[in-house]
Amino acid sequence: EVQLVESGGGLVQPGGSLRLSCAASGFTFSDYYMDWVRQAPGKGLEWVGRIRNKANSYTTEYAASVKGRFVISRDDSKNSLYVQTNSLKTEDTAVYYCVRVPLDVWGKGTTVIVSS
Amino acid sequence: DIQMTQSPSAMAASVGDRVTITCRASQDISNSLIWFQQTPGKVPKRLIYATSTLQSGVPSRFSGSGSGTEFTLTISSLQPEDFANYYCLQHKNYPYSFGQGTKLEIK
Repeated sequence: EVQLVESGGGLVQPGGSLRLSCAASGFTFSDYYMDWVRQAPGKGLEWVGRIRNKANSYTTEYAASVKGRFVISRDDSKNSLYVQTNSLKTEDTAVYYCVRVPLDVWGKGTTVIVSS
Repeated sequence: DIQMTQSPSAMAASVGDRVTITCRASQDISNSLIWFQQTPGKVPKRLIYATSTLQSGVPSRFSGSGSGTEFTLTISSLQPEDFANYYCLQHKNYPYSFGQGTKLEIK
């Protein structure tokens, strides 16, 4: 079964950092680009960023709202995707979803709450 | 950046109704559009990709059309399980962008 399982969410103060993880199984993770998408409470979906595969040099793309603060990475040997979230703001409070490109498989999400 | 304007933001309809949701892109995105369905408390589900290709397992009452800057999602005969939130996403240019969503409620 194709599966994505996120972890690492929690409560963090403004200005703090969190590293979110996503464990993939049931498919050849290394072949795929991977995205992060987030959803603030009661709000719509927001695309956060992408990491390409090794064949495309693991290059990344980011939404303007997180560029310079978030860093997406992956470890194909561990079938894992990560996002290092730094300088967190209250508006970063959201459920963060790990998504396989072409956005056909989604994890259940991990919740990040940025609050003092 | 490309802005996606989705309309309506909310609507009420009855079982059996035909419903259309529209997404307009601020510039030409060719057919690089995906529709998602999200029921409350659930993970988004891809319904349609490449504007009009139905995801495997999605009922044929769902259809998508359009090109360039205007796109529609149509549900030909609403079923109780279709009452949900719907989002479009453009993936023509980075950063990708979602529409603000359409909440489809029971009348």
